[in-house]
Amino acid sequence: GENVEQHPSTLSVQEGDSAVIKCTYSDSASNYFPWYKQELGKRPQLIIDIRSNVGEKKDQRIAVTLNKTAKHFSLHITETQPEDSAVYFCAAKFGNEKLTFGTGTRLTIIP
Amino acid sequence: DGGITQSPKYLFRKEGQNVTLSCEQNLNHDAMYWYRQDPGQGLRLIYYSQIVNDFQKGDIAEGYSVSREKKESFPLTVTSAQKNPTAFYLCATASGGLTDTQYFGPGTRLTVL
Repeated sequence: GENVEQHPSTLSVQEGDSAVIKCTYSDSASNYFPWYKQELGKRPQLIIDIRSNVGEKKDQRIAVTLNKTAKHFSLHITETQPEDSAVYFCAAKFGNEKLTFGTGTRLTIIP
Repeated sequence: DGGITQSPKYLFRKEGQNVTLSCEQNLNHDAMYWYRQDPGQGLRLIYYSQIVNDFQKGDIAEGYSVSREKKESFPLTVTSAQKNPTAFYLCATASGGLTDTQYFGPGTRLTVL
């Protein structure tokens, strides 16, 4: 069945350094890959997404890369700041109906 | 996602009672979703609906029921058959289509006493 694996489950980086979170998916027909950020007690917020016809997308300090052959995609955060501390979820859309989410990465930025 | 409201924000229930969580949207989105999130866990899909009067089971539908009588509303009932209902419940909407974005409501935290 559909499966999305996300690593690492926790990540600590020094303020100003880069953070990378990786996800792999099982269904080669997947065509949409969003990333969400969730602060404690709040709703997940979309921060960036990528579609299967694109290999990379950037938005200021955030970028996502997609390798369709290897079936994995990654979130890159550069020049990390304390407000980047949160739980990040990747997801992949299988077919035309629903997203499958990864299990999340708790990112901590150390001042 | 400011156009998605969930009520109440906090809900307490005694064991054996059914409870209904509200989700309303004014985004004119066709698709609506219910997720459950447990502490330190990811998001698990309970039910989803792509069109009025139609819905499908997600990965953990047992002990839950939904209805979609109006485009704007997708209430979730947590029944007494749900063995471990204490969790954070999130509603989401999407405009529809192959690569559409899902937006989340603020969530309802349900605690069974």
